[in-house]
Amino acid sequence: AQSVTQLGSHVSVSEGALVLLRCNYSSSVPPYLFWYVQYPNQGLQLLLKYTSAATLVKGINGFEAEFKKSETSFHLTKPSAHMSDAAEYFCAVSESNAGNMLTFGGGTRLMVKP
Amino acid sequence: DADVTQTPRNRITKTGKRIMLECSQTKGHDRMYWYRQDPGLGLRLIYYSFDVKDINKGEISDGYSVSRQAQAKFSLSLESAIPNQTALYFCATSDPGSGSLHFGNGTRLTVT
Repeated sequence: AQSVTQLGSHVSVSEGALVLLRCNYSSSVPPYLFWYVQYPNQGLQLLLKYTSAATLVKGINGFEAEFKKSETSFHLTKPSAHMSDAAEYFCAVSESNAGNMLTFGGGTRLMVKP
Repeated sequence: DADVTQTPRNRITKTGKRIMLECSQTKGHDRMYWYRQDPGLGLRLIYYSFDVKDINKGEISDGYSVSRQAQAKFSLSLESAIPNQTALYFCATSDPGSGSLHFGNGTRLTVT
């Protein structure tokens, strides 16, 4: 069975500061890993995904995530936060032999202070 | 126009009522999904369908049913709504090659 844990349901940073959102996963097979973002009153949008190619994955809006097998982690980072980054972020895992069956973490709400 | 459209966007209903949430897509994807979102729990899978003749239960299917009327349409029904079904419901599609989901804007359901 697969599962995802996102540490910190709320993260607050100042504009211009580093953003770090943590995600740890468990999977019985090599995982596919995803980060999605949800802006208010909208559905989820794909930020980036890891599919066993490069371990450092670059996504949209300046975000990137690094797959670390030894730590079973896939943390999301952005060097400099912008006010428009305020949203809820979801990490998700899919087992490569299970089609598109994604299991989501509980989400982290990112707040950006001016 | 949105690729994945959900109707209604908001719905308030009473305990015991039957309600249907509808989803249509123009992406041409065979695979469609219904998730519910609750604070702190992320999204949990209710039902999924890999083609018109294929319907599968997800993690939390009790109290729900679905119908795949066509490749582009996948509806979710609550036969007898109860207050703990108050949540934000999302429809999503995917193509098997990409591994990622494409979401609608959600339906906020309140059961009183």
